[in-house]
Amino acid sequence: GENVEQHPSTLSVQEGDSAVIKCTYSDSASNYFPWYKQELGKGPQLIIDIRSNVGEKKDQRIAVTLNKTAKHFSLHITETQPEDSAVYFCAASKEYGNKLVFGAGTILRVKS
Amino acid sequence: SAVISQKPSRDICQRGTSLTIQCQVDSQVTMMFWYRQQPGQSLTLIATANQGSEATYESGFVIDKFPISRPNLTFSTLTVSNMSPEDSSIYLCSARVGNTIYFGEGSWLTVV
Repeated sequence: GENVEQHPSTLSVQEGDSAVIKCTYSDSASNYFPWYKQELGKGPQLIIDIRSNVGEKKDQRIAVTLNKTAKHFSLHITETQPEDSAVYFCAASKEYGNKLVFGAGTILRVKS
Repeated sequence: SAVISQKPSRDICQRGTSLTIQCQVDSQVTMMFWYRQQPGQSLTLIATANQGSEATYESGFVIDKFPISRPNLTFSTLTVSNMSPEDSSIYLCSARVGNTIYFGEGSWLTVV
């Protein structure tokens, strides 16, 4: 089955710097790659997603890139703010909006 | 988007008892999912619950331990049966709206 690896497990950045989180997946049939942000005591919140027919997608300070050949995708957060501090999860699925396989998560700390 | 409500949000349960978690979606959805998130860990899919059919369980999860109901297009329940301390986790309900999967806030269960 699908396996998703996520790195780094923790990431500390200064406020205003950029943060990059990377994920690799194993199943070349996967075609949908969402990113979720989970704050303490809350459920995961979708922040951005990308489909396999697109190489890059941007939403204000957040962007995601996908390299299908290498089977990896990355989350880029620019101009980080303290409220960006949370756990971020990448995920992959073989069908849009179907069963998701999650990475292990990245704890992002933005220091002010 | 979708609003997904779960009850209870938090509970402390006695070993050997069972607890039913309720999940309500603010729109009609075909596909609902139940995930488990053990403390400090990632999300693992327990089962997929489609209205009108039996739930489909992932490897390592069985119906006797995690019975699921899906009586209509906006509601589902997950029961955690004969609980042990190893069942202490966050149980998350999610639903597919369009091609996006949204999550509830989770039900935090502690088994003592």
